[in-house]
Amino acid sequence: EAGVAQSPRYKIIEKRQSVAFWCNPISGHATLYWYQQILGQGPKLLIQFQNNGVVDDSQLPKDRFSAERLKGVDSTLKIQPAKLEDSAVYLCASSPHQASSGNTIYFGEGSWLTVV
Amino acid sequence: AQSVTQLGSHVSVSEGALVLLRCNYSSSVPPYLFWYVQYPNQGLQLLLKYTSAATLVKGINGFEAEFKKSETSFHLTKPSAHMSDAAEYFCAVILKVTDKLIFGTGTRLQVFP
Repeated sequence: EAGVAQSPRYKIIEKRQSVAFWCNPISGHATLYWYQQILGQGPKLLIQFQNNGVVDDSQLPKDRFSAERLKGVDSTLKIQPAKLEDSAVYLCASSPHQASSGNTIYFGEGSWLTVV
Repeated sequence: AQSVTQLGSHVSVSEGALVLLRCNYSSSVPPYLFWYVQYPNQGLQLLLKYTSAATLVKGINGFEAEFKKSETSFHLTKPSAHMSDAAEYFCAVILKVTDKLIFGTGTRLQVFP
C-alpha cells in the first residue's frame, strides 16, 4: 500500500516569497491533516479536512497560510508571503476516518522549508 | 492547556540497557494514546497505540507501553536498546471531545555503544 506522498521534499525561499506544498493521502482516506513542525518541537496541527470540508483550521495563520482539498483527495498548502519563522517541516497525514475513532494517522516524510 | 507532557527532552542509554521514555496526559476521560518515532530527515512512524483495549500495548521494534489511568501515564519502554533506536520519540493523544491529535514536545533518544 502506498503511503502519504508529499512534494517537494525540500524548499529554500526568501522571505516574502510564496511557496506551495502538495500532498497525496493514502487511497481511500477521508481525513487529511497538515502539521507544522518547527525544529526541536512537536508537530502542531494547522488544518484538518474531512473529505473536502475543513474540520479544524483554528491554528492556521490565515493571513498568510491557505489550504485546500479539492475533490476530497489531494491537498495543497500555500504560504504567501513567507516569514523567517515559517521555516519548519510541513507534515501531511491521513487517516481512514476521524481521529476520535482511534484510527491510526499515517504521516508523509514531510516538506522541509527554509526561509532566508 | 497542555494535553500531553513528555518528561525529559533528551535521554541517553547504553546499548543493551533499558529504555524508558515518559509520557503523561491530562484528561478526565481516558483518551487514545500514541507513540511515534521520527528518524533524521524522515516523517513520523507509528510505534504503537492505545485505544481502550489491553492496557499493555506492544509495538514494533520491541517497544511497548502501558496505559495507567491512575497515573495518567503512557510510558514507552524497551528492555534492551539498539544503536538503531536512536531517534526522536513523540507521545501523542487524541482527546475524544476534540478529535485532534496533539503531540508532546518529543524526547531525543541517544544510544551509546
